[in-house]
Amino acid sequence: EAQVTQNPRYLITVTGKKLTVTCSQNMNHEYMSWYRQDPGLGLRQIYYSMNVEVTDKGDVPEGYKVSRKEKRNFPLILESPSPNQTSLYFCASSYSDNTEAFFGQGTRLTVV
Amino acid sequence: GESVGLHLPTLSVQEGDNSIINCAYSNSASDYFIWYKQESGKGPQFIIDIRSNMDKRQGQRVTVLLNKTVKHLSLQIAATQPGDSAVYFCAYRDDKIIFGKGTRLHILP
Repeated sequence: EAQVTQNPRYLITVTGKKLTVTCSQNMNHEYMSWYRQDPGLGLRQIYYSMNVEVTDKGDVPEGYKVSRKEKRNFPLILESPSPNQTSLYFCASSYSDNTEAFFGQGTRLTVV
Repeated sequence: GESVGLHLPTLSVQEGDNSIINCAYSNSASDYFIWYKQESGKGPQFIIDIRSNMDKRQGQRVTVLLNKTVKHLSLQIAATQPGDSAVYFCAYRDDKIIFGKGTRLHILP
């Protein structure tokens, strides 16, 4: 089954404790991205990657890092999480930047 | 600046009626538009897309209309069902996807 898998689905952590949210897709997509979704603000792009070893900042990259060492994986790293990064995060992938995106189920992160 | 807006944050429709969800965009250079549906507790799911060389595209029970003159996009859902209850997002792709804030569709019995 074609899918984008994120882990974990739920995470509660403390300020400053590094964490990684994993994302994996099985569709051989070149394009992957991370979004955060907040009430009243909709979906905002954090980072995107057009191919292996190619990543670029989205609209809200501050406080986040990503890597794309393999085509299928695109982890999101929070080196020092802060409470304002409490949000619902989505990973997405697509064949290109001009085709439909497939989204993961989301990761609800709470930073206390 | 670039923006993708929605005319209404919430829309209530009687079951069986047609739903029309509207979206206005400001970047006239965009050539690809998408509608997504997000059900509670799930990620956004692709519904239908349209490219700027078309003004209408139909799917199963859904139709997307694109008016490039006034930079307006709409999603029409025919014979709305309880399963259509969700938040609907329009988006366009420039060098990345830019999403609107979404319209929550309520289905009235």
